[in-house]
This record gives sequence, structure tokens and C-alpha cells, in this order.
Amino acid sequence: DAGITQSPRHKVTETGTPVTLRCHQTENHRYMYWYRQDPGHGLRLIHYSYGVKDTDKGEVSDGYSVSRSKTEDFLLTLESATSSQTSVYFCAISGTGLRYTFGSGTRLTVV
Amino acid sequence: AQTVTQSQPEMSVQEAETVTLSCTYDTSESDYYLFWYKQPPSRQMILVIRQEAYKQQNATENRFSVNFQKAAKSFSLKISDSQLGDAAMYFCALNAGGTSYGKLTFGQGTILTVHP
Repeated sequence: DAGITQSPRHKVTETGTPVTLRCHQTENHRYMYWYRQDPGHGLRLIHYSYGVKDTDKGEVSDGYSVSRSKTEDFLLTLESATSSQTSVYFCAISGTGLRYTFGSGTRLTVV
Repeated sequence: AQTVTQSQPEMSVQEAETVTLSCTYDTSESDYYLFWYKQPPSRQMILVIRQEAYKQQNATENRFSVNFQKAAKSFSLKISDSQLGDAAMYFCALNAGGTSYGKLTFGQGTILTVHP
């Protein structure tokens, strides 16, 4: 979607390897989020950021870390990927009035 | 903590007919926002409709409308004159404000099939 891009779109990785997903926005929004989508669970919040270097945990944060060194970039890192982290990952941003924009998602497969 | 429940994993409708998707939620906040998102096979999350809890009037967007029952904590989506392009996964979501400001809580989703 315009204003937010995620990379990569697809990734296959091996158990135990580190993985970093990138979210980039051009809207200068303060809030950024990482969600994972799994069947039967909808989307669940992993981590979010409310400013540069300001981040906090969401509902399912174990095994994940994030960093935000610039307003436009929010990185999600799986320190040591496990099969339970096979999922579709979405980045989102929100501006005034809680108007959300979602990225196109990253399908991550851990084998 | 906030919760959102969609009790219909799958729904189907005939083209041109009307269908209603159910959603219930729970929050202790008095000011909050509710959303319906559509996710087609492309995976893109598309905002269908948005409701602010302090507004009594139900939101409408063309063929999409909601029945917002605040006391019952219910937020159903009605799709009128269904079209083949409406086939998708639909998610109900809540932003409860307060310490949860900005964070969305999603329901499990409802897969909508539209039959020609």
C-alpha cells in the first residue's frame, strides 16, 4: 500500500537462524506495529513503537525483538527462528485519528 | 485486557443478497474505536468501516453498514447487494484507548463466500 512497504515478501529460513524483517514508511507517522497472522487467531500484536527508540511489547513478543532508529524504519528480528514462528507478518502504521495502514505482509516459513 | 470474538468461522451468501457478520467485544474503556477489515486472497488488509464508540449513529459506507450495540458490546457488519468481489476474510478489530492506545485487537476472522 502507498506509504508503507515490507521486505521481503516471502522468506524461507532454517530453524535456529536469525531473521530480520523490515518495515519502511514514508508517512512520518509516530506509531508503527508488527503483527503476526495465524489461522484461528486473527492478527496478534508482537511489538509496537511510539517513536524513535521507543518500543514496547505486545501480546506475543517472546522470541522477537524490534528496533527503530529512524522514524521511517521499524525492524523485527527473530533471534533464533523456530517452526512456531512460521506465519504471515504484517507491519502497520497509524496517524491521527487512529487511521491505520497495513503493509502487504511477509510470509515466513521456518523449516 | 481487550477481547474480540467472531463466532462465525465461515459464512456464505448468494450474489445480490444480504449477509451479516457478527462480532462481540469486551473492554473496560468508555472511549474506543471499532473496525471491520477485509482481507482478500492478495493478503492486503483493507479498511471497510470504522465506528467511534461515542457516536450513537451507526457507520455506513455504501453497501456496508454496522449495527453497533454499545450496551451489548456487539458490532455486526451488514453487506447489502453482495458482489463476487466481496468474497474475502473479514476481521473485526478494537482499539480500546487508554493504556492500549494505538494497539488493535483482532477477532479470529470470518471467511465470506459469495455464490453467483
